[in-house]
Amino acid sequence: QVQLQQWGAALVKPWETLSLRCSFSGGSVSDDCWTWIRQTPGKGLEWIGQVRHSGISDYNPSLRGRATISTSRNEFSLKVTSVTAADTAVYYCARSLTKLTWFDPWGQGTLVTVSS
Amino acid sequence: DIQMTQSPPSQSASVGDRVTITCRASQSVDTHLNWYQQKPGKPPKIVISSASNLQSGVPSRFRGSGFGTDFTLTISGLQAEDFATYYCQQGYSMPYTFGPGSKVDV
Repeated sequence: QVQLQQWGAALVKPWETLSLRCSFSGGSVSDDCWTWIRQTPGKGLEWIGQVRHSGISDYNPSLRGRATISTSRNEFSLKVTSVTAADTAVYYCARSLTKLTWFDPWGQGTLVTVSS
Repeated sequence: DIQMTQSPPSQSASVGDRVTITCRASQSVDTHLNWYQQKPGKPPKIVISSASNLQSGVPSRFRGSGFGTDFTLTISGLQAEDFATYYCQQGYSMPYTFGPGSKVDV
């Protein structure tokens, strides 16, 4: 049973870089897609992107190239550059599989606030 | 991007009621439609995958149906633990997108 534990800075200054990490335990398979999703009251749930077991990443164009998702050993990370107040959200890590495109399990969530 | 809509945005219900939530996609997603339940302060939890597959551990009172652009989540015999917000999500094409949510409250 895969479990996810995430952590990272809860407060980020405008125009700086948001950085979160997520560790996974309980097994990994070649079809894994390690995913980041964020949630705001205004925009709801938004898929940010994923990194596949192969290391190839896919992103939501809405982030306009500001997001980077990478993986190393039993962790994967999210970086979002040049953040603004619009990036304030609860960020979740999650897992899906290449051909089974739903998200399970999810990390516990991290509220990231962008403010000076 | 595939746009997802849900109705109703919220509904009041009582224990024992039958509740129906609909989800519509802006283009066909085949059966690549998933349903999540979210309670305050918690991450979403998958309840139905691939339109109609009940996830392990989810009570059989939850049922999903639909194909293409129109989908339904039905809860038969609502229980106290079912009061939550429900989201649909298409897994047909990236970027994967979610509906705005449907809140079931007392």
